[in-house]
Amino acid sequence: QKEVEQNSGPLSVPEGAIASLNCTYSDRGSQSFFWYRQYSGKSPELIMFIYSNGDKEDGRFTAQLNKASQYVSLLIRDSQPSDSATYLCAVTGSARQLTFGSGTQLTVLP
Amino acid sequence: DGGITQSPKYLFRKEGQNVTLSCEQNLNHDAMYWYRQDPGQGLRLIYYSQIVNDFQKGDIAEGYSVSREKKESFPLTVTSAQKNPTAFYLCASAREDKAYEQYFGPGTRLTVT
Repeated sequence: QKEVEQNSGPLSVPEGAIASLNCTYSDRGSQSFFWYRQYSGKSPELIMFIYSNGDKEDGRFTAQLNKASQYVSLLIRDSQPSDSATYLCAVTGSARQLTFGSGTQLTVLP
Repeated sequence: DGGITQSPKYLFRKEGQNVTLSCEQNLNHDAMYWYRQDPGQGLRLIYYSQIVNDFQKGDIAEGYSVSREKKESFPLTVTSAQKNPTAFYLCASAREDKAYEQYFGPGTRLTVT
């Protein structure tokens, strides 16, 4: 079983819609959770992090964490074509290491 | 400008040759990391260093070596022992007190034929 699982997609949403990206993790001891955005051919960019159960909002992005269900999600409101990218979920492991999922490819259609 | 630089952006080598990838940061970060990314996959940790002159193996260290002689620099050598070296290599750094909030350089795409 993979430690961090994401639906690889591709996920397509129309411009202006809400994009919902999901991630599950296997290590119940994980404490910190991160979302990175990666444009094709580029390096990942940290866009959100969440440490506590519940929601955390930053502009059009909302991260949601449910530790009991070992589930973290990223909502993108008013999706724009510029949001088209691969979104990587990462969770903390042991010894200050991040474990990454394989990413979900999002396409926002104009 | 503060940031992380990696060079070169593209690198081509023949099989059997060692190659060193450069990573430099001027963010005054203590921790530095090397990952590799294969098509359609997430990032896998090769090596990391939390302090000068000290580093630890990640999940896939075999066939790689690193050094950390300066806080700003963390070069990665891909040796001929690495069976599948062709990949996108990413260097990241982080503050010691926020080691999980990692920031990435632009990456080096290595092709070995």
